[in-house]
Amino acid sequence: NAGVTQTPKFQVLKTGQSMTLQCAQDMNHEYMSWYRQDPGMGLRLIHYSVGAGITDQGEVPNGYNVSRSTTEDFPLRLLSAAPSQTSVYFCASSYSGAGGYGEQFFGPGTRLTVL
Amino acid sequence: AQSVTQLDSQVPVFEEAPVELRCNYSSSVSVYLFWYVQYPNQGLQLLLKYLSGSTLVESINGFEAEFNKSQTSFHLRKPSVHISDTAEYFCAVSERASDYKLSFGAGTTVTVRA
Repeated sequence: NAGVTQTPKFQVLKTGQSMTLQCAQDMNHEYMSWYRQDPGMGLRLIHYSVGAGITDQGEVPNGYNVSRSTTEDFPLRLLSAAPSQTSVYFCASSYSGAGGYGEQFFGPGTRLTVL
Repeated sequence: AQSVTQLDSQVPVFEEAPVELRCNYSSSVSVYLFWYVQYPNQGLQLLLKYLSGSTLVESINGFEAEFNKSQTSFHLRKPSVHISDTAEYFCAVSERASDYKLSFGAGTTVTVRA
């Protein structure tokens, strides 16, 4: 199993550009989520999905969109990049609800810089 | 929603010395507790977890954590650290009331020196 994969590993954008961060998992997990990691703030939840076709907002959703058309894929879209979105982004997956008690499996991350 | 407090942001320690990383969470009826480790330029890996049963849980590389319900704590310890334990450590909590979403602490950076 490849686990959770993310592409790209690094990205530099200019303010106002849009892009999609890709995330895929091959563990047949129903639950997938996106986090951003900033120094001194731990990980903050951006959006999450409890299954194909179902998404919901997390703690810091503004400026990001998600969709979940398949169990495997959960892309994160930046609509109009801003310097405040400079961060490291992690995708994670887990068994849903009580089946996993919240234990998450993380991808390697995407380091995004917005100039 | 849960709040998670990691009381130390940086912990420098000498090789073969013990280390303790402190984690407190806001009280709840039933919580599930996790410690994740992040080595430099990598993603997060699960180090250990408490779901139920024995309040002392151990990892395969010598770390242990104890769930203390009365003090709402889940401190992480290792009796003798190695250079390779240099990493950032995150405490995280989930609960049924929040649909098992993870709440993370701010992280503790452990730097092991020879």
